[in-house]
Amino acid sequence: DIQMTQSPSTLSAFVGDRVTITCRASQSISNWLAWYQQKPGKAPKLLIYKASSLESGVPSRFSGSGSGTEFTLSISSLQPADFATYYCQQYNSFSVTFGQGTKVEIK
Amino acid sequence: EVQLVESGGDLVQPGGSLRLSCAASGFTFNSYEVNWVRQAPGKGPEWVSYISNTGSNIYYADSVKGRFTISRDNAKNSLYLQMNSLRAEDTAVYYCARGKGATYFDYWGQGTLVTVSS
Repeated sequence: DIQMTQSPSTLSAFVGDRVTITCRASQSISNWLAWYQQKPGKAPKLLIYKASSLESGVPSRFSGSGSGTEFTLSISSLQPADFATYYCQQYNSFSVTFGQGTKVEIK
Repeated sequence: EVQLVESGGDLVQPGGSLRLSCAASGFTFNSYEVNWVRQAPGKGPEWVSYISNTGSNIYYADSVKGRFTISRDNAKNSLYLQMNSLRAEDTAVYYCARGKGATYFDYWGQGTLVTVSS
């Protein structure tokens, strides 16, 4: 299986900060990568697919970039609703795999 | 509005069986692939199984192959997961998730908790 490694595991930031989360794949996955946001007790919510395509209804402060093995999720100006855990997911191989998550906390 | 509602989660002993259901509404169920994805406490999600829109193609994660069976009833807009020979490591919240092919998941249910413990 393709392994997905996210960094950092935890990120502390202020409202209004720009934050960036990194996801690395153990082998090239082209741009077959999605990002999700999850809040406690809730299901993951799709934010980005195909590495940089914004899902309908997701605020434009979220953006994704990268290809091959290194990807980033950026939030341009962190809002109170954005404090959550974020997961990347590869779908290059049929056995899709997720990263271990990055928790974004209030500083 | 797209809705996926899981049910059937419970506390079960190791070696036991359980059947999960997922009721879909708000979209043309027989046009979409669907999946089961689980999440153990404090862990990232783990894909479990996939079924194509007609049910003709089915795939499983190695961790559940031979123990779990996915199925669907398009007339009832429902997805199922039959889980046999359950192990402690199967303890998780189980989500049904609509797939964009065998790729990413654009809608998820609220999840149902399966606890395997004696």
